[in-house]
This record gives sequence, structure tokens and C-alpha cells, in this order.
Amino acid sequence: GAGVSQSPSNKVTEKGKDVELRCDPISGHTALYWYRQSLGQGLEFLIYFQGNSAPDKSGLPSDRFSAERTGGSVSTLTIQRTQQEDSAVYLCASSPDYANTEAFFGQGTRLTVV
Amino acid sequence: AQRVTQPEKLLSVFKGAPVELKCNYSYSGSPELFWYVQYSRQRLQLLLRHISRESIKGFTADLNKGETSFHLKKPFAQEEDSAMYYCALAGSARQLTFGSGTQLTVLP
Repeated sequence: GAGVSQSPSNKVTEKGKDVELRCDPISGHTALYWYRQSLGQGLEFLIYFQGNSAPDKSGLPSDRFSAERTGGSVSTLTIQRTQQEDSAVYLCASSPDYANTEAFFGQGTRLTVV
Repeated sequence: AQRVTQPEKLLSVFKGAPVELKCNYSYSGSPELFWYVQYSRQRLQLLLRHISRESIKGFTADLNKGETSFHLKKPFAQEEDSAMYYCALAGSARQLTFGSGTQLTVLP
């Protein structure tokens, strides 16, 4: 595709439900990042993939959060038993390779937990 | 650990005035520094990176290793520069860490 694609663009869910957020990176990009953007909080790093492996999962806020990447391409971020404080814009970005860290961002998924 | 600090959450300047957005970093090795920008209702996008030493839209940023800073500057601000600006750092592990951002408003 032409750019990083995220789906859905908006998600409203009830507290306690599980949600899955999807990211399609630019074809051929080996690095993939997930961030959370909250009002007044800037960009919070969640997890980073190099290929299918995640060298650093330390940014995941709790064990309710998990992410996977298959085939070195699509990634899903899963939030279990959502809480109101999970409401934010979840951003995905990809970059071409290990040496090139210029990140290309998706449009984000706005998650609202009610 | 790597950390990026942007001390100003909000910054307002008048059109034509100089602007400087501050960024300080903490990293033990040799970092790669970036500035990203997010205009209203648009995606976050790369503005410039220190290794290319280029000027984009009149903005420049110099890496000062002694002061561990990478401040973004423009001599004459324009209204279309109003946006959210993020400073970012990539260390040897290639993880990209962002600061909390500075919302720049250029007043007419």
C-alpha cells in the first residue's frame, strides 16, 4: 500500500470488553512500532517489532496489553478487559530496516472505552 | 535507558518572530535525533533528522552533544508552522523514543 494503514479508525467499546487494533505497515518495512497518544501526554512507546520478534515489550502498560506480528507484516495490538484509562489514540509506525529509523505513521485508531 | 525531554508543552510566537523548540535527551551512546511534526488532522510525519543536516521548511536543528540538546529553530515563523512538534531519539537498539511534544501556535 501507499502508507501505513490502521483499522479501525475509530472504536467505541464497553469497559471490560476486549479489543483488537490492526496495523498494516508499508510493504517491505521490517521495523514496526506501536505508540499511544493521550491528550496532554504526548507519545507513549508501547512495543517495537524487528521482523516478527519484539526486542522490547517494556512499554506495555499492563498484562492486559499484548501484541503480535506475523509474517513480518501485519501487527495486532490486543487490549483485554478494557478500562476507561485505555481511551487514547493508538498509533502504528513502520520503518524500512534496522539501520533506517525514519518512521512512517498510520492515521491512528481512536479508542474510546465507555 | 533513553529519554527525551521537551520542557514546553505550549509555545506561542507572532508571525515573523524567531522560534526555538527545546529538546534535551539522555542516552549513553551516540543517538540519532529527529524532529517529527503533526499538523491539524494529519498524520505524524518526519520533519528533519540530524544526520542529514538539512533545512526543511526553514527549520534547522543542531545536535549539541555537550549539552545533550537538539533544539529546533526557525528565524521567521509562519502561521502554517502551527502544529505539534515531537523530538525523537533512536539508540543502538533502534527503538524510537519520543518526547511529550510542544504545541506551537504562530499568531497573526
